[in-house]
Amino acid sequence: NAGVMQNPRHLVRRRGQEARLRCSPMKGHSHVYWYRQLPEEGLKFMVYLQKENIIDESGMPKERFSAEFPKEGPSILRIQQVVRGDSAAYFCASSPTGGGTEAFFGQGTRLTVV
Amino acid sequence: RKEVEQDPGPFNVPEGATVAFNCTYSNSASQSFFWYRQDCRKEPKLLMSVYSSGNEDGRFTAQLNRASQYISLLIRDSKLSDSATYLCVVSVGGSYIPTFGRGTSLIVHP
Repeated sequence: NAGVMQNPRHLVRRRGQEARLRCSPMKGHSHVYWYRQLPEEGLKFMVYLQKENIIDESGMPKERFSAEFPKEGPSILRIQQVVRGDSAAYFCASSPTGGGTEAFFGQGTRLTVV
Repeated sequence: RKEVEQDPGPFNVPEGATVAFNCTYSNSASQSFFWYRQDCRKEPKLLMSVYSSGNEDGRFTAQLNRASQYISLLIRDSKLSDSATYLCVVSVGGSYIPTFGRGTSLIVHP
């Protein structure tokens, strides 16, 4: 049973480009959470999605950031017109039912904006 | 007040020592509680869930005190491999978002 898969593991983008981060949840999991972690900082919640629905996006910046979890395929976190401050590790976690059950993390995508 | 607070440490202990971490949370309606472990630059890994009755997994014991709104993690007979950052996680809000503390750093030395 494969774990949560994130790709790419490392992504380098120039300022102004777009970054697309992918997350495939564990088999049987339909709830996905995205977090951002800056160096020496804790994990900050960004968005919570269920298949085809955004449940809570209270942690996501209003500008430039968007997320989706289509019926088929992985969840995508999209950052448009990246800036240096977007450089961070982005982690995705999945859980089978949400509602406070255990969440399991992917290995993360390390985004570097140059 | 932060939703989940932890002492960042570091806690520097010799092998074989017993060490305990506490974590406080602000939302009395919080439903679920967990401890995760994060090694440097890697993903958080679930260590254990925390139940009201307390629970034990080998050398690790977790306790929940709802009245005082804190959870604790006790590690007995520390190993070098226990060196990591320990993250307290509380599910908060109507959507029960897993909310992380900043973590407590543990360094176990020979």
